[in-house]
Amino acid sequence: DQQVKQNSPSLSVQEGRISILNCDYTNSMFDYFLWYKKYPAEGPTFLISISSIKDKNEDGRFTVFLNKSAKHLSLHIVPSQPGDSAVYFCAASARISSGSARQLTFGSGTQLTVLP
Amino acid sequence: SAVISQKPSRDICQRGTSLTIQCQVDSQVTMMFWYRQQPGQSLTLIATANQGSEATYESGFVIDKFPISRPNLTFSTLTVSNMSPEDSSIYLCSVEDRVGQPQHFGDGTRLSIL
Repeated sequence: DQQVKQNSPSLSVQEGRISILNCDYTNSMFDYFLWYKKYPAEGPTFLISISSIKDKNEDGRFTVFLNKSAKHLSLHIVPSQPGDSAVYFCAASARISSGSARQLTFGSGTQLTVLP
Repeated sequence: SAVISQKPSRDICQRGTSLTIQCQVDSQVTMMFWYRQQPGQSLTLIATANQGSEATYESGFVIDKFPISRPNLTFSTLTVSNMSPEDSSIYLCSVEDRVGQPQHFGDGTRLSIL
Protein backbone atom coordinates (compact mmCIF):
# COMPACT_ATOMS: atom_id res chain seq x y z
CA ASP A 1 0.00 0.00 0.00
CA GLN A 2 1.66 3.18 -1.23
CA GLN A 3 1.24 5.90 1.37
CA VAL A 4 2.84 8.54 -0.85
CA LYS A 5 1.94 8.65 -4.53
CA GLN A 6 3.27 10.59 -7.46
CA ASN A 7 0.92 9.68 -10.25
CA SER A 8 2.84 11.35 -13.06
CA PRO A 9 6.01 9.45 -13.91
CA SER A 10 7.13 12.19 -16.27
CA LEU A 11 6.54 15.85 -17.12
CA SER A 12 7.90 18.02 -19.93
CA VAL A 13 7.88 21.82 -19.74
CA GLN A 14 9.26 24.60 -21.88
CA GLU A 15 12.06 26.69 -20.44
CA GLY A 16 10.71 29.77 -18.66
CA ARG A 17 7.31 28.24 -17.99
CA ILE A 18 5.97 26.88 -14.73
CA SER A 19 6.53 23.26 -13.69
CA ILE A 20 3.98 21.76 -11.33
CA LEU A 21 4.73 18.44 -9.71
CA ASN A 22 2.05 16.74 -7.67
CA CYS A 23 2.02 14.34 -4.75
CA ASP A 24 -0.79 12.67 -2.79
CA TYR A 25 -0.61 10.92 0.55
CA THR A 26 -2.94 8.72 2.54
CA ASN A 27 -1.51 8.68 6.08
CA SER A 28 -3.11 11.44 8.14
CA MET A 29 -0.27 11.14 10.68
CA PHE A 30 2.21 12.69 8.23
CA ASP A 31 3.07 16.17 9.43
CA TYR A 32 6.22 17.06 7.51
CA PHE A 33 6.74 16.94 3.78
CA LEU A 34 9.85 17.29 1.65
CA TRP A 35 10.85 17.44 -1.99
CA TYR A 36 14.12 16.00 -3.21
CA LYS A 37 15.75 16.32 -6.61
CA LYS A 38 17.85 13.53 -8.05
CA TYR A 39 20.27 13.64 -10.96
CA PRO A 40 21.54 10.39 -12.53
CA ALA A 41 24.39 8.75 -10.58
CA GLU A 42 23.88 11.10 -7.64
CA GLY A 43 21.99 10.83 -4.39
CA PRO A 44 18.77 12.78 -3.81
CA THR A 45 19.33 16.42 -2.91
CA PHE A 46 17.00 18.15 -0.47
CA LEU A 47 15.08 20.95 -2.15
CA ILE A 48 12.34 22.33 0.06
CA SER A 49 10.06 21.24 2.89
CA ILE A 50 6.82 22.20 4.54
CA SER A 51 5.32 21.53 7.93
CA SER A 52 1.66 20.64 8.25
CA ILE A 53 1.03 23.85 10.17
CA LYS A 54 1.64 25.79 6.95
CA ASP A 55 0.01 25.69 3.56
CA LYS A 56 2.79 27.31 1.57
CA ASN A 57 6.56 27.59 1.70
CA GLU A 58 8.64 29.50 -0.80
CA ASP A 59 12.36 29.43 -1.55
CA GLY A 60 13.45 31.35 -4.62
CA ARG A 61 12.01 29.72 -7.72
CA PHE A 62 10.55 26.84 -5.70
CA THR A 63 7.23 26.91 -3.86
CA VAL A 64 5.54 24.00 -2.12
CA PHE A 65 1.81 24.06 -1.45
CA LEU A 66 0.07 21.80 1.04
CA ASN A 67 -3.64 21.02 1.04
CA LYS A 68 -4.21 18.96 4.17
CA SER A 69 -7.89 18.35 3.60
CA ALA A 70 -7.14 16.85 0.20
CA LYS A 71 -3.92 15.19 1.42
CA HIS A 72 -2.18 16.75 -1.53
CA LEU A 73 0.98 18.74 -2.04
CA SER A 74 2.57 20.27 -5.08
CA LEU A 75 5.90 21.75 -6.05
CA HIS A 76 5.93 24.78 -8.35
CA ILE A 77 9.09 25.78 -10.17
CA VAL A 78 8.98 29.22 -11.79
CA PRO A 79 10.62 29.90 -14.14
CA SER A 80 11.75 26.43 -15.16
CA GLN A 81 15.32 26.06 -16.37
CA PRO A 82 17.00 23.23 -18.32
CA GLY A 83 19.17 22.53 -15.25
CA ASP A 84 16.00 21.64 -13.35
CA SER A 85 15.67 18.49 -15.45
CA ALA A 86 15.87 15.67 -12.90
CA VAL A 87 13.74 13.17 -11.02
CA TYR A 88 11.75 14.81 -8.24
CA PHE A 89 10.74 12.78 -5.20
CA CYS A 90 8.07 13.73 -2.74
CA ALA A 91 8.60 12.43 0.81
CA ALA A 92 6.51 12.50 3.95
CA SER A 93 7.16 11.76 7.58
CA ALA A 94 5.50 11.47 10.95
CA ARG A 95 7.38 12.01 14.16
CA ILE A 96 7.30 8.81 16.16
CA SER A 97 8.09 10.51 19.45
CA SER A 98 9.55 13.76 20.69
CA GLY A 99 13.23 14.04 19.83
CA SER A 100 13.21 10.95 17.64
CA ALA A 101 14.34 10.82 14.04
CA ARG A 102 11.83 11.18 11.25
CA GLN A 103 11.41 8.19 8.99
CA LEU A 104 10.75 9.23 5.42
CA THR A 105 8.25 7.60 3.08
CA PHE A 106 8.99 8.41 -0.56
CA GLY A 107 6.84 8.64 -3.63
CA SER A 108 7.90 6.94 -6.85
CA GLY A 109 9.27 10.11 -8.43
CA THR A 110 8.49 12.30 -11.43
CA GLN A 111 11.01 12.81 -14.22
CA LEU A 112 10.95 16.50 -15.12
CA THR A 113 12.37 17.53 -18.47
CA VAL A 114 12.73 21.23 -19.18
CA LEU A 115 13.05 21.85 -22.88
CA PRO A 116 15.21 24.75 -24.07
CA SER B 1 25.15 20.17 5.77
CA ALA B 2 27.30 17.10 6.34
CA VAL B 3 29.35 15.71 3.45
CA ILE B 4 28.64 12.02 2.90
CA SER B 5 31.03 9.62 1.16
CA GLN B 6 29.81 6.22 0.11
CA LYS B 7 32.02 3.36 -1.10
CA PRO B 8 32.01 1.61 -3.45
CA SER B 9 30.09 3.72 -5.93
CA ARG B 10 29.23 0.62 -7.94
CA ASP B 11 30.00 -3.07 -8.05
CA ILE B 12 29.12 -6.20 -9.97
CA CYS B 13 28.95 -9.28 -7.77
CA GLN B 14 28.39 -12.98 -8.13
CA ARG B 15 25.29 -14.68 -6.80
CA GLY B 16 25.77 -16.00 -3.25
CA THR B 17 28.51 -13.55 -2.27
CA SER B 18 28.30 -10.64 0.17
CA LEU B 19 29.27 -6.99 -0.19
CA THR B 20 29.86 -4.38 2.49
CA ILE B 21 29.04 -0.76 1.69
CA GLN B 22 30.64 2.00 3.71
CA CYS B 23 29.20 5.41 4.59
CA GLN B 24 31.53 8.06 6.01
CA VAL B 25 30.35 11.48 7.19
CA ASP B 26 32.63 14.46 7.72
CA SER B 27 30.97 15.44 10.99
CA GLN B 28 29.15 13.77 13.84
CA VAL B 29 25.49 13.19 13.06
CA THR B 30 22.62 12.05 15.21
CA MET B 31 21.00 9.59 12.85
CA MET B 32 22.10 7.48 9.91
CA PHE B 33 19.80 5.54 7.61
CA TRP B 34 20.11 2.99 4.84
CA TYR B 35 17.74 2.96 1.84
CA ARG B 36 17.30 0.80 -1.22
CA GLN B 37 16.08 1.96 -4.62
CA GLN B 38 15.18 -0.94 -6.86
CA PRO B 39 15.11 -0.31 -10.63
CA GLY B 40 12.29 2.03 -11.56
CA GLN B 41 11.03 2.27 -8.01
CA SER B 42 11.13 4.65 -5.11
CA LEU B 43 13.46 4.76 -2.13
CA THR B 44 12.61 2.28 0.60
CA LEU B 45 14.03 2.53 4.10
CA ILE B 46 15.94 -0.60 5.09
CA ALA B 47 16.96 0.36 8.61
CA THR B 48 18.04 3.06 10.99
CA ALA B 49 21.67 2.63 12.06
CA ASN B 50 21.91 3.25 15.81
CA GLN B 51 25.25 4.16 17.32
CA GLY B 52 26.34 1.60 19.86
CA SER B 53 23.32 -0.65 19.51
CA GLU B 54 21.58 -2.89 17.01
CA ALA B 55 20.00 -1.29 13.96
CA THR B 56 16.24 -0.86 13.75
CA TYR B 57 14.92 -2.68 10.69
CA GLU B 58 11.79 -1.90 8.69
CA SER B 59 9.21 -4.48 7.81
CA GLY B 60 10.53 -6.83 5.15
CA PHE B 61 14.18 -6.40 6.04
CA VAL B 62 16.12 -8.61 8.46
CA ILE B 63 19.48 -8.43 10.14
CA ASP B 64 20.72 -11.72 8.70
CA LYS B 65 20.32 -10.39 5.16
CA PHE B 66 21.35 -6.76 5.80
CA PRO B 67 23.67 -6.59 8.82
CA ILE B 68 24.50 -3.01 9.76
CA SER B 69 27.22 -1.58 11.93
CA ARG B 70 27.62 1.90 13.37
CA PRO B 71 30.70 2.01 15.56
CA ASN B 72 30.69 5.81 15.97
CA LEU B 73 28.83 8.99 15.04
CA THR B 74 30.51 9.40 11.64
CA PHE B 75 30.58 5.92 10.11
CA SER B 76 28.27 3.06 9.22
CA THR B 77 28.36 -0.04 7.04
CA LEU B 78 25.63 -2.05 5.35
CA THR B 79 26.32 -5.60 4.22
CA VAL B 80 24.18 -7.25 1.57
CA SER B 81 24.52 -10.96 2.31
CA ASN B 82 24.11 -14.02 0.13
CA MET B 83 23.20 -11.86 -2.84
CA SER B 84 20.74 -12.82 -5.56
CA PRO B 85 19.74 -10.94 -8.73
CA GLU B 86 16.77 -9.49 -6.82
CA ASP B 87 19.24 -7.53 -4.69
CA SER B 88 20.35 -5.52 -7.73
CA SER B 89 19.57 -1.98 -6.59
CA ILE B 90 21.01 1.35 -5.60
CA TYR B 91 21.80 1.41 -1.89
CA LEU B 92 21.88 4.83 -0.27
CA CYS B 93 23.09 6.13 3.03
CA SER B 94 21.46 9.21 4.52
CA VAL B 95 22.07 11.27 7.64
CA GLU B 96 20.10 13.62 9.80
CA ASP B 97 22.57 16.27 10.98
CA ARG B 98 20.37 17.30 13.86
CA VAL B 99 17.00 16.09 15.04
CA GLY B 100 14.28 17.62 12.91
CA GLN B 101 16.54 18.58 10.02
CA PRO B 102 16.03 17.15 6.52
CA GLN B 103 17.97 14.03 5.69
CA HIS B 104 20.90 14.34 3.31
CA PHE B 105 21.98 11.50 1.06
CA GLY B 106 25.20 10.04 -0.22
CA ASP B 107 25.56 9.34 -3.93
CA GLY B 108 24.65 5.70 -3.47
CA THR B 109 26.13 2.34 -4.40
CA ARG B 110 24.87 0.82 -7.63
CA LEU B 111 24.93 -2.94 -7.15
CA SER B 112 24.41 -5.52 -9.87
CA ILE B 113 24.29 -9.24 -9.15
CA LEU B 114 24.95 -11.72 -11.92
